[in-house]
Amino acid sequence: EADIYQTPRYLVIGTGKKITLECSQTMGHDKMYWYQQDPGMELHLIHYSYGVNSTEKGDLSSESTVSRIRTEHFPLTLESARPSHTSQYLCASSPRFGFQETQYFGPGTRLLVL
Amino acid sequence: SQKIEQNSEALNIQEGKTATLTCNYTNYSPAYLQWYRQDPGRGPVFLLLIRENEKEKRKERLKVTFDTTLKQSLFHITASQPADSATYLCALGTYGYKLSFGAGTTVTVRA
Repeated sequence: EADIYQTPRYLVIGTGKKITLECSQTMGHDKMYWYQQDPGMELHLIHYSYGVNSTEKGDLSSESTVSRIRTEHFPLTLESARPSHTSQYLCASSPRFGFQETQYFGPGTRLLVL
Repeated sequence: SQKIEQNSEALNIQEGKTATLTCNYTNYSPAYLQWYRQDPGRGPVFLLLIRENEKEKRKERLKVTFDTTLKQSLFHITASQPADSATYLCALGTYGYKLSFGAGTTVTVRA
């Protein structure tokens, strides 16, 4: 099991609310990623970071934002949630050295926006 | 446009048989290809990586082949067990350690 944690695991929230999805890893990995996955569909990269104070948008356009102030922490924020944001959000990390290509995933946050 | 296609239908096999999954891609030049396992409600778990200059990789009952001419990878689970039931994802690695994923193939192994 990878040491990467996501909270909450499930979230039901009303339209217009601000939400933050937490992701933390204790492996000292410098690279971290956020993916969005709908049932039966592929994972889409929405944000990634190669280290502290580094953040980039992924291949899928997203209204969410991320920050990377500490190596171990990579939270994702939605300023105003909408039903179209309903999805599963997966956080992952990979190391600086060694098996850099391997990504370790958290358990995911399943978000439902009413 | 870039596309990654995995077996569109779920795979249902008898325990002890070999499951073979396909991953085809277009308009990619991957440096490496990975296979992940995903159980319901969980994040993917890394299984195997194969690089563009490698033809085959094995790990216990798992075998992966990679044909960059055909733009195809095959993933084999030999002597399958009910515990192998899961969704298997193919992922192509490109510049900057980013991965592009297929939609996955769901495998069910009957006892």
